[in-house]
Amino acid sequence: DAGVIQSPRHEVTEMGQEVTLRCKPISGHDYLFWYRQTMMRGLELLIYFNNNVPIDDSGMPEDRFSAKMPNASFSTLKIQPSEPRDSAVYFCASSLGGGFVAFFGQGTRLTVV
Amino acid sequence: AQTVTQSQPEMSVQEAETVTLSCTYDTSESDYYLFWYKQPPSRQMILVIRQEAYKQQNATENRFSVNFQKAAKSFSLKISDSQLGDAAMYFCAYSGGGADGLTFGKGTHLIIQP
Repeated sequence: DAGVIQSPRHEVTEMGQEVTLRCKPISGHDYLFWYRQTMMRGLELLIYFNNNVPIDDSGMPEDRFSAKMPNASFSTLKIQPSEPRDSAVYFCASSLGGGFVAFFGQGTRLTVV
Repeated sequence: AQTVTQSQPEMSVQEAETVTLSCTYDTSESDYYLFWYKQPPSRQMILVIRQEAYKQQNATENRFSVNFQKAAKSFSLKISDSQLGDAAMYFCAYSGGGADGLTFGKGTHLIIQP
């Protein structure tokens, strides 16, 4: 398997623009997680899905953030409108079962100018 | 809420020596999982080792081993025969038995001196 695939690897956008981050989990995995990594706050869980259903989105910082998982092989994290403080590395991870090993994608480095 | 604390922001060790990274956590659950992840400059998060709380035996993966002290809520990582490729950020992480994602510590930056 190719592992968890995220796109794009890097994204630079202007404040106020819509940003969409994409993730393809490992085939057969039933959990998908979105994390954000910043110097100040470290790694934070934003939202996670089980069998394509959002289970806990309490980590989503604001209504500007939304996530979807229309099918078992694709998920998106959208920020609209983006702000400079959204600049971070966003990771997608998937696992088979919640307490089993979570495999991470390469991350998307988002810069909002 | 669960918390994970890594009290060593940075550690340095000579190549071929042994180093131990510390981690403590707080939880009221009895069933959970603990992990160590490595993040090299490439930023890829790589699983190093995993421990189930119900197992008393400490997990081992080649040069990497843990000292899991459940009563003390301590989960340290020992790296033996350190290699230059071990240089990275190391994150301790907790996952509850209820499948609620990972809670990470702030990380320890490990430097390997040649």
